[in-house]
Amino acid sequence: GQQLNQSPQSMFIQEGEDVSMNCTSSSIFNTWLWYKQDPGEGPVLLIALYKAGELTSNGRLTAQFGITRKDSFLNISASIPSDVGIYFCAGQVGKIIFGKGTRLHILP
Amino acid sequence: NAGVMQNPRHLVRRRGQEARLRCSPMKGHSHVYWYRQLPEEGLKFMVYLQKENIIDESGMPKERFSAEFPKEGPSILRIQQVVRGDSAAYFCASSPLGQGDNEQFFGPGTRLTVL
Repeated sequence: GQQLNQSPQSMFIQEGEDVSMNCTSSSIFNTWLWYKQDPGEGPVLLIALYKAGELTSNGRLTAQFGITRKDSFLNISASIPSDVGIYFCAGQVGKIIFGKGTRLHILP
Repeated sequence: NAGVMQNPRHLVRRRGQEARLRCSPMKGHSHVYWYRQLPEEGLKFMVYLQKENIIDESGMPKERFSAEFPKEGPSILRIQQVVRGDSAAYFCASSPLGQGDNEQFFGPGTRLTVL
């Protein structure tokens, strides 16, 4: 079946650092999505990408849809404490296929 | 406009009991999706329903699990004779349009614990 490989699995960073995470797939998706999940809550959509090569920003977040339509990355600039959480990449073919998540921790 | 509502938020069942999870989609949304999340994992698709119809149940276990979305009332995910492996967070999402790349809005989830 369709699977997404998301890396890294965890990140430990200092406040103010930039963050980068990525996702690859063996399948082509027409839509790539990036979600954030806080503890005890459902995922919240951060960025949606609809075209190969598309680069989209949402505040300090930037995501790109790879040219091959099989990969995507998410960058967070100047991290702040509220960025802590789990970030999921996902491809959509009607239903959403999720990666396993990147757990972002900010060191005090 | 209230978001997707799920209840209960936490549910504890003993092995062999039944679990009923409810999902009320956002107002105006007639498409509901159920996902399951195991610890340290991403969400996995289970089933997609429109009012009174199951459209895609390819992610649903063949036995003990069923889902419905009646004309009136919330969508229900039902797990019969629960086992410890059913312990997970179950999320519901809704969208205003059907399959295709339309944004799905997620509820807060029901965390099922099977003792």
